[in-house]
This record gives sequence, structure tokens and C-alpha cells, in this order.
Amino acid sequence: AQSVAQPEDQVNVAEGNPLTVKCTYSVSGNPYLFWYVQYPNRGLQFLLKYITGDNLVKGSYGFEAEFNKSQTSFHLKKPSALVSDSALYFCAVRNGNNRLAFGKGNQVVVIP
Amino acid sequence: SAVISQKPSRDICQRGTSLTIQCQVDSQVTMMFWYRQQPGQSLTLIATANQGSEATYESGFVIDKFPISRPNLTFSTLTVSNMSPEDSSIYLCSVEHRATISYQETQYFGPGTRLLVL
Repeated sequence: AQSVAQPEDQVNVAEGNPLTVKCTYSVSGNPYLFWYVQYPNRGLQFLLKYITGDNLVKGSYGFEAEFNKSQTSFHLKKPSALVSDSALYFCAVRNGNNRLAFGKGNQVVVIP
Repeated sequence: SAVISQKPSRDICQRGTSLTIQCQVDSQVTMMFWYRQQPGQSLTLIATANQGSEATYESGFVIDKFPISRPNLTFSTLTVSNMSPEDSSIYLCSVEHRATISYQETQYFGPGTRLLVL
């Protein structure tokens, strides 16, 4: 079964520092990978996705993610974190039934 | 992308009652989904609602508890029936939207309905 793992519960980073949120995947076949963000008291917002093509995917709000097939990873990155980036981040993979399977989520806290 | 609205945005309900959540999308979509996000948890798919057919429920969810309607390509409702405190969650509507140029499909989510059952 297709699945993703987000190994960390919370990521703390100082404002202005690089932010990385980790995600590893387990799929059979080609992975379709997604990142979503959930701000407090809001729904999920789509950030970016990898379907095919360039391994480095650029998304909304200055975020990008790098698809690494050998490491089965799809880490989310931002060069310089903002306090407003504090939110819950979900990695997801599309499974064989065309449904999204979500990771447990990572709480990101950007410290001013 | 697709713009999705949900009503109500939040509600506090008494045990044993039912609540119907509405989901409206600004474009015609084939596939709509309903998710539950329990406090501090990730998202769990309740069911897939396609227009013109019965909803398909995931393991652990049944139609009697979560009846779904899908009367057209822009609207769906989820009812949470005979509620108990364990049903306190965020309920999220989602649609699969196909880009007009790339034909790639992406799921977009509504703002959610925050339900508290007392």
C-alpha cells in the first residue's frame, strides 16, 4: 500500500533560518506526492506536488520540495522561514485507488 | 484551482442529534471527498461522493452514520447522525480538480466544519 511517513512531530526554527520538513514515501510504481499546509482554524491549502519531471518542485509561499528517488524522500524546504509559516504541514501520496494517503503531520513553529 | 465553501463553519451539538454539513465548489467536479480530522490527528477519508452514484465509504464508516448526498457536480452534503462526543472533529470537504492545460489532478480542500458534540 502507498504510504508516507513524517518522522518528526514538531519542527522548531528561528525566523530567517532555513526550514525543512521531512517526508519519506513507500509506493509501488511511480509516486504522486503532495504537500499541504493547515494554518490554525483553517482547512488544508495545497502547496505543491510532484508527478513527473524535475526533481525540484516549486510551490506556493516560497516553498519547494525535492523528490529523491534513491532515498524515497520528498522533503519540503524554505530558504528563510517566516513567523507566518507556523502551521501544520502534511505530506500525502496518491494511492492505487486514486485516494490521498496523508502522513501524521508536522507542527512547524517559527520562533521570532 | 477550485474554491470550496462549507457550511456551517462550526457548531456545537447535543448528543443524539444530527448535523448536515454542506459543501459548495465553484466549478463542476466529478469527484468529491469527505474527510474527518480528529483533534491532533491527521486526515481520515470517510467517503467518496460521485454525482449520479452512491457514495463509496472507507473501512470503518457506514452510510447510516454518515449519509451523503451528491445532487449535482458542484454540491454535496454530509450528515453526521446520532452524534456522540466521539464525533467531535473537523469535517473537511475536498474535490479533485483537473487542470485545463496539463490535465493533472490535484485535490483541494474546503475550510472545514468544526464540530463539538456535548
